[in-house]
Amino acid sequence: AQSVAQPEDQVNVAEGNPLTVKCTYSVSGNPYLFWYVQYPNRGLQFLLKYITGDNLVKGSYGFEAEFNKSQTSFHLKKPSALVSDSALYFCAVRDGAGGYNKLIFGAGTRLAVHP
Amino acid sequence: SQTIHQWPATLVQPVGSPLSLECTVEGTSNPNLYWYRQAAGRGLQLLFYSVGIGQISSEVPQNLSASRPQDRQFILSSKKLLLSDSGFYLCAWTYSSGAFFGQGTRLTVV
Repeated sequence: AQSVAQPEDQVNVAEGNPLTVKCTYSVSGNPYLFWYVQYPNRGLQFLLKYITGDNLVKGSYGFEAEFNKSQTSFHLKKPSALVSDSALYFCAVRDGAGGYNKLIFGAGTRLAVHP
Repeated sequence: SQTIHQWPATLVQPVGSPLSLECTVEGTSNPNLYWYRQAAGRGLQLLFYSVGIGQISSEVPQNLSASRPQDRQFILSSKKLLLSDSGFYLCAWTYSSGAFFGQGTRLTVV
């Protein structure tokens, strides 16, 4: 079965510093990987995805993610964190078994950016 | 353009009362629709998914049920709510390379 793991419950970063939110995956076949962000009491907002092509994927709000097949990782990164980036971040993988497009989510990582 | 609507945004219900949460999508036909639950502001648990009218698959046994009466409508229900049903419920429409999410319903069972 497809799965993703987010090993960190929380990541703390000072404003202006680079940030990394980690995600590793386990899939059969080629992975479709996603990052979503959630602000309090809101739905999920799409940040970026990897389907195929360049291993470095650029997304919304200055975020990017690097697909690493050998390490089965898809870490989310941003060169300079903003206080407004503080939110809950989810990594997800598509499970296409049976012709469905289920998204399987990690447990989430809370990002706290301090002024 | 594709949009997804979910309501109500918040709901407070007594234990033992019924529940009905509704989700509708616009701008597509025959969407794959999903209900997720998020407990305590953390991980998302897939509850139900549907690939067409009247077709419902359940991921986990629970006190909830789902129905798909129309192509672009997906309903989450319960006959009698439990305290453990409290949480944040999200409807989603997925396609091959992504998903759209509703704004969520915060359900508090008291």
